[in-house]
Amino acid sequence: NAGVMQNPRHLVRRRGQEARLRCSPMKGHSHVYWYRQLPEEGLKFMVYLQKENIIDESGMPKERFSAEFPKEGPSILRIQQVVRGDSAAYFCASSPGAGLSTEAFFGQGTRLTVV
Amino acid sequence: GDSVTQMEGPVTLSEEAFLTINCTYTATGYPSLFWYVQYPGEGLQLLLKATKADDKGSNKGFEATYRKETTSFHLEKGSVQVSDSAVYFCASSRTARQLTFGSGTQLTVLP
Repeated sequence: NAGVMQNPRHLVRRRGQEARLRCSPMKGHSHVYWYRQLPEEGLKFMVYLQKENIIDESGMPKERFSAEFPKEGPSILRIQQVVRGDSAAYFCASSPGAGLSTEAFFGQGTRLTVV
Repeated sequence: GDSVTQMEGPVTLSEEAFLTINCTYTATGYPSLFWYVQYPGEGLQLLLKATKADDKGSNKGFEATYRKETTSFHLEKGSVQVSDSAVYFCASSRTARQLTFGSGTQLTVLP
């Protein structure tokens, strides 16, 4: 059973371009979470999705950021018109449910660099 | 809002030394508490957890006890190995939907 797969592992974008980060959850997992880790900081929650639904986006910046988890295919975190401050590591996690006793499994992350 | 504060690194120890990484939390109510570990080039892995006061989580020789009175969840290991070199994250969660992480502590164990 493959783990949570994120790609690309490294992404370089120029200011103003769009960044698309992909996350394939573990088999059988229908809950996906995105976190962002800025340099020298801990991971910060961004958004929680189930198939075709955004459940909690309280950590998402109001502009330029969006996320989806379609019925088929990976979850996508999309950042439009990237700026230098978007440079960070973006981690995806998945779980089979949402209970407190349910473990979330993390991917290796996508490291976004905006130049 | 909820927050987690953990000991700043980096921490460098010799093999077989005793390890403590401090972690304190602030939260409304009684969150669940976690330690995650990130080995080089890999994602975060759950190391141990505790869901209520006085619970002790343990795994791979690591231990942490949920102390409500001091709002702490310090990570300890009696004898570290080179293979324990990694970044350790303390985290709390009041809901199943999101974790609040500390900033991470880099541990390097020298042979």
